[in-house]
Amino acid sequence: EAGVTQFPSHSVIEKGQTVTLRCDPISGHDNLYWYRRVMGKEIKFLLHFVKESKQDESGMPNNRFLAERTGGTYSTLKVQPAELEDSGVYFCASSQGTGPYGYTFGSGTRLTVV
Amino acid sequence: GESVGLHLPTLSVQEGDNSIINCAYSNSASDYFIWYKQESGKGPQFIIDIRSNMDKRQGQRVTVLLNKTVKHLSLQIAATQPGDSAVYFCAETNTGNQFYFGTGTSLTVIP
Repeated sequence: EAGVTQFPSHSVIEKGQTVTLRCDPISGHDNLYWYRRVMGKEIKFLLHFVKESKQDESGMPNNRFLAERTGGTYSTLKVQPAELEDSGVYFCASSQGTGPYGYTFGSGTRLTVV
Repeated sequence: GESVGLHLPTLSVQEGDNSIINCAYSNSASDYFIWYKQESGKGPQFIIDIRSNMDKRQGQRVTVLLNKTVKHLSLQIAATQPGDSAVYFCAETNTGNQFYFGTGTSLTVIP
């Protein structure tokens, strides 16, 4: 089975620009999660989709971040406008049922804002 | 808020020795814990998990110990191999969906 796919794998943008990250979960996984790791710090939860609905977006840092999950399939995370502190690795994970079991992470997108 | 931390940010061990990676957590209501391994350029990979009603669980070359009294979690890797070099994260949850991660411990295996 294909894993969780994220792209781009790397993105370097200038402060003030817009970047869109994409995540394709494992087929059939209703739950999709976004996490972020800022350099040297812990991996932090951003939000959780169940199908196309946002179940929990308590971790979204501010309104410059917008996540969508069209038709309950792939998800995008847009940062607009990007700031220097947005640099880090953005991970997506998916799982099939409720609860944390069977969580599978993608390889992440390394975002660098200069 | 949640606080999950690791005692040591880096750990170096000789190949063949056993490794022990520690983790402290602050939420006594957490009921499920996972250890993840992250290799360079990859996402976190599941290693082993444990529920709060257990204090020990063994896998292949790995053992997780949970001490709820002091809110401490450890990962033991037996006969550490070069392929074990990675960053190890502990993660906890009590909601069933959102995980709280530690900052990670970088394990280096010396041949």
